[in-house]
Amino acid sequence: AQSVTQPDIHITVSEGASLELRCNYSYGATPYLFWYVQSPGQGLQLLLKYFSGDTLVQGIKGFEAEFKRSQSSFNLRKPSVHWSDAAEYFCAVDEGGTASKLTFGTGTRLQVTL
Amino acid sequence: EPEVTQTPSHQVTQMGQEVILRCVPISNHLYFYWYRQILGQKVEFLVSFYNNEISEKSEIFDDQFSVERPDGSNFTLKIRSTKLEDSAMYFCASSEKERGPPEQYFGPGTRLTVT
Repeated sequence: AQSVTQPDIHITVSEGASLELRCNYSYGATPYLFWYVQSPGQGLQLLLKYFSGDTLVQGIKGFEAEFKRSQSSFNLRKPSVHWSDAAEYFCAVDEGGTASKLTFGTGTRLQVTL
Repeated sequence: EPEVTQTPSHQVTQMGQEVILRCVPISNHLYFYWYRQILGQKVEFLVSFYNNEISEKSEIFDDQFSVERPDGSNFTLKIRSTKLEDSAMYFCASSEKERGPPEQYFGPGTRLTVT
């Protein structure tokens, strides 16, 4: 069965600092890859996605992610974090096929200090 | 921008009672999903639904659970006899999937508390 690993449970960064959140997946083929963000008391908002093509994908709110096939990774980055980015971030994969379903990682909680 | 809506935002029920969680997916979407997130844990897939039937379901989705699209807009999740361990945030999602891989758009969730 496929799995998604987010090794960092909690990360704290200063406002204005750069950010990288790690995500590794275990699956034979390249699945569809997603990053979602969940603010406190809110639902899941899609930040960005990778299906094929250019391995560096841009998303909303200034986020980007890079797919590295050799490392089975899809790390999320942001050059300069804002206080409003404090939230929980989930990496998810969809193996495709006729019935889509997302498998989520355990999430990384981002705290931003001023 | 169209969005997925869910009602109620919070439901409290007693163990053994039936609950129905409601969702209105994005209007032109064809695929519908339910996920749950137990407090402090990751989001887990429950079921996917297309063309008025279940496409796939997880081990969690046992006989106590059912889904229905009673009309052209609503998508419901019913838990027949709730257990304490059903307490969780339940998310509805929908996707279009006319072409290419699907993007699932999530609602704000319903927090279910079973006492």
